[in-house]
Amino acid sequence: DTGVSQDPRHKITKRGQNVTFRCDPISEHNRLYWYRQTLGQGPEFLTYFQNEAQLEKSRLLSDRFSAERPKGSFSTLEIQRTEQGDSAMYLCASSLVKDTQYFGPGTRLTVL
Amino acid sequence: GQQVMQIPQYQHVQEGEDFTTYCNSSTTLSNIQWYKQRPGGHPVFLIQLVKSGEVKKQKRLTFQFGEAKKNSSLHITATQTTDVGTYFCAAPGRNNNDMRFGAGTRLTVKP
Repeated sequence: DTGVSQDPRHKITKRGQNVTFRCDPISEHNRLYWYRQTLGQGPEFLTYFQNEAQLEKSRLLSDRFSAERPKGSFSTLEIQRTEQGDSAMYLCASSLVKDTQYFGPGTRLTVL
Repeated sequence: GQQVMQIPQYQHVQEGEDFTTYCNSSTTLSNIQWYKQRPGGHPVFLIQLVKSGEVKKQKRLTFQFGEAKKNSSLHITATQTTDVGTYFCAAPGRNNNDMRFGAGTRLTVKP
């Protein structure tokens, strides 16, 4: 257990529905990252926060995706109008600035 | 963003055999990290290499960073069933603020 928690661990939804995931990082970590991982691939970077500021977003992050970290602690990732191609494991990681990233257990999303 | 290529994609070994995975980049890397992901688990940080030609060891695992800082390798001596999993290398992204992962090498070990 790295200390990073994610909720829910599994989510099954119908195409077109909105979903929201939560990540609670290690408490003293000021950086928080979101990745997406599909079967047989490495994690793909989506976005990261330093404290409450979202400093970088990947081109993978379409307009249907939004992430927040309102108080610089936990973060949420929302996917609107889900598509079957959104099915993946969504991983959160946290770190001190430019230090080792500690990953959470992930949220597995299945879009039917 | 930074692209790192890993080979092989899969490796199946008999317990006790050695295993090596390679990570290559077309550009010079400031550092490279290695992670292990067990089946059904999440990536777990193993090590970071920073210096040209650096070699680090963790028990049966040996990590190397190339002289040109464009390639790296992870070597496991005398594999055990507990070594099963996917090994990823990762390098800093475009703005050096995140890590970009290779596709990984999936290791299976036959007892």
